[in-house]
Amino acid sequence: GQNIDQPTEMTATEGAIVQINCTYQTSGFNGLFWYQQHAGEAPTFLSYNVLDGLEEKGRFSSFLSRSKGYSYLLLKELQMKDSASYLCAVRDHGHSGYSTLTFGKGTMLLVSP
Amino acid sequence: GAVVSQHPSWVICKSGTSVKIECRSLDFQATTMFWYRQFPKQSLMLMATSNEGSKATYEQGVEKDKFLINHASLTLSTLTVTSAHPEDSSFYICSAREGASTDTQYFGPGTRLTVL
Repeated sequence: GQNIDQPTEMTATEGAIVQINCTYQTSGFNGLFWYQQHAGEAPTFLSYNVLDGLEEKGRFSSFLSRSKGYSYLLLKELQMKDSASYLCAVRDHGHSGYSTLTFGKGTMLLVSP
Repeated sequence: GAVVSQHPSWVICKSGTSVKIECRSLDFQATTMFWYRQFPKQSLMLMATSNEGSKATYEQGVEKDKFLINHASLTLSTLTVTSAHPEDSSFYICSAREGASTDTQYFGPGTRLTVL
């Protein structure tokens, strides 16, 4: 099984930088994803890490350390529309040959003016 | 980008009836599709994984006879909730993956099911 931990809530102000951490434990690691989910909507893909290091994509960056079972999502120049839940999801090799994606409980980010 | 659609977007049904939810990949062929369920303020929980043309693999605790999954083509998977009960009311989300296990999953917009 997997154990994925991320903070429940975070607050930040418009224009600031925020880092959302995620720790995980898994037996067959095969990649880590970050998704953004606005209330009542499906998740949208933000980033994917499978090797150690930093992946940068515009205002969003994601970091992975496999040895530490640790990732973070960095959001720069925060905007009001960034208020959402951010889900850390870990893929493992699963059973029966299928890889499975397990989600953390999500971090609700509130961006204030 | 890859687009996944779901139909219907919301449905209200009476207890004891069956409801079918469709998931379609619009601009790519999805060899693997996933069905998730999300209760309010909780994370997504994987229900089952299906590959086109083969039986779905259900996660522990998910009743395969209650949640029927059919992945008959590379662009369509269906989830049928049989004999629905109020506790089945939830947000059902599908996702699709084009190829290898390293590919990104793309999510549908979700279907909100309310069972009265």
